[in-house]
Amino acid sequence: DTGVSQNPRHKITKRGQNVTFRCDPISEHNRLYWYRQTLGQGPEFLTYFQNEAQLEKSRLLSDRFSAERPKGSFSTLEIQRTEQGDSAMYLCASSLLSGGGYTFGSGTRLTVV
Amino acid sequence: DQQVKQNSPSLSVQEGRISILNCDYTNSMFDYFLWYKKYPAEGPTFLISISSIKDKNEDGRFTVFLNKSAKHLSLHIVPSQPGDSAVYFCAASEGQGGSEKLVFGKGTKLTVNP
Repeated sequence: DTGVSQNPRHKITKRGQNVTFRCDPISEHNRLYWYRQTLGQGPEFLTYFQNEAQLEKSRLLSDRFSAERPKGSFSTLEIQRTEQGDSAMYLCASSLLSGGGYTFGSGTRLTVV
Repeated sequence: DQQVKQNSPSLSVQEGRISILNCDYTNSMFDYFLWYKKYPAEGPTFLISISSIKDKNEDGRFTVFLNKSAKHLSLHIVPSQPGDSAVYFCAASEGQGGSEKLVFGKGTKLTVNP
């Protein structure tokens, strides 16, 4: 296992289109997180899963955002009707329940034009 | 409202000297603190952490100090190396172990000059 994998690395989309990102965590990690990072800011929490259960969602996660983790393995983050303000780096991370810090993926950079 | 603050956007030090990165927090419920390092076009990499029951944790060249009364932590890198040049993020959580939701600061860009 080489770490947390995110696809695609880059996505350019037109305003109003839907986009979906995928995250494959480290296989033995039961927690999976989504964060968003904009220029000059630290990562901001969006949501996290323990196995297949979505345990918490940030108020930043509007109704246009939805995340799933079917079968407790990979996860998808979908943004519907994208807006220019959605342009950011979307980071996925995973961890063991026992902690020890997250392992982040390299992120998906979304540009909405 | 920034619960985790890194007030220095950048820091420049000479190779071999000490780098000290600072972080302040406002939420007294935070009880676990982490430092991450980030290179361009990569995700953050976990560096070192500290629980609120400790005031110091050391791992090789990296030491984190926690002052709970001042709600302040710092990361010391000794000796600094050019490969340490990156953006460093301070993060905090309300759960022990760092498997909970993290709140990040805005980061400090460290440049280590040869």
